Amino acid sequence: DTAVSQTPKYLVTQMGNDKSIKCEQNLGHDTMYWYKQDSKKFLKIMFSYNNKELIINETVPNRFSPKSPDKAHLNLHINSLELGDSAVYFCASSQMRILGASGGYTFGSGTRLTVV
Amino acid sequence: GQNIDQPTEMTATEGAIVQINCTYQTSGFNGLFWYQQHAGEAPTFLSYNVLDGLEEKGRFSSFLSRSKGYSYLLLKELQMKDSASYLCAVYPLTGGGNKLTFGTGTQLKVEL
Repeated sequence: DTAVSQTPKYLVTQMGNDKSIKCEQNLGHDTMYWYKQDSKKFLKIMFSYNNKELIINETVPNRFSPKSPDKAHLNLHINSLELGDSAVYFCASSQMRILGASGGYTFGSGTRLTVV
Repeated sequence: GQNIDQPTEMTATEGAIVQINCTYQTSGFNGLFWYQQHAGEAPTFLSYNVLDGLEEKGRFSSFLSRSKGYSYLLLKELQMKDSASYLCAVYPLTGGGNKLTFGTGTQLKVEL
């Protein structure tokens, strides 16, 4: 029944490794997002896809590569992990044209990434 | 771009009323969201204001003044479970793709 599900919930890995986070939504939304929340709880957008098309690509190192195989899935792959990548990564989804009326984003439960 | 300011922390007593302010500067404005985030959990939707005025929803109300770039979230009859971070988020006209820009959040602590 989970609306937006992310896996894994926790990820501890060494510097230099490559890792992926997966996200799936069953709300029928057409737009999905990746946000990063740092240690000061600041939520900052990274990427957004609408119907599998990349529409927002903020200033993010190219070690981060999103992939959307269909509009219900948005994955995030990170190469050559660095200490500064440690954060909580939230996936979210929404309807593009009625964002306000539909209650904005629905967030996943987050993936806490720790790079050691 | 957008500039959004919220107080970092607030403390209030159970049963009391607390007002959390948010001021913003943006080149184009659609509306403003408020989200609640408990520690270790995802943000959840509280309210959306697009017109000036007060929107009431149970114990929570949200106010918007577009001309002043100002919003507040009013929490009445505070309960211990209201201890959380409260995030305001601007929905801009430009930027495309439904990009919400979040403030840094206000950590509210409710005490006995």
